[in-house]
Amino acid sequence: NAGVMQNPRHLVRRRGQEARLRCSPMKGHSHVYWYRQLPEEGLKFMVYLQKENIIDESGMPKERFSAEFPKEGPSILRIQQVVRGDSAAYFCASSPARDNSPLHFGNGTRLTVT
Amino acid sequence: AQSVTQPDIHITVSEGASLELRCNYSYGATPYLFWYVQSPGQGLQLLLKYFSGDTLVQGIKGFEAEFKRSQSSFNLRKPSVHWSDAAEYFCAVGMDSSYKLIFGSGTRLLVRP
Repeated sequence: NAGVMQNPRHLVRRRGQEARLRCSPMKGHSHVYWYRQLPEEGLKFMVYLQKENIIDESGMPKERFSAEFPKEGPSILRIQQVVRGDSAAYFCASSPARDNSPLHFGNGTRLTVT
Repeated sequence: AQSVTQPDIHITVSEGASLELRCNYSYGATPYLFWYVQSPGQGLQLLLKYFSGDTLVQGIKGFEAEFKRSQSSFNLRKPSVHWSDAAEYFCAVGMDSSYKLIFGSGTRLLVRP
């Protein structure tokens, strides 16, 4: 019974490179969410997607960050031209419905920018 | 501004002792309320949730939480702590939705043998 699958678990990038984080939701879940956890902090909402649609991106930084959830394949969080401040744990969550459904989180991708 | 406060950064209890982790929020209406647990290097596991109804909710691993509207609180309790409960605990609140959660800064639980 696979849960939310994220890969890679750890990602190291040099400043200026691109980072791609992947997330496959739980079976039967069509709603995907990305959260970011900075060191010693709680998680912060970034974006909510359904298949081929961005529903709520109110937590996404205005530049360099983008997310997609294509018809086929995993959801992708892309960070272009990474900077040291992007170093964080990025968690994906999924749910079977938008409302009144708890989020099920993956184990996260820990991004380190050197 | 909407916020979630977990006033205890660290808590240490002896194995077998009772536990209460505090969570307060600021919001005008009844929010969606959650407690998650995170082990080192792992994701978050949902312990319990409150959407409506009975204000005392039971969760997994013997945890329970009580929603007190008058105090804007949702404290997590366990009558007898096990060593495996050592982890970080996050209270999360959905103000307008059950998906856009505001997380507290977490409480790290240490368990003495």
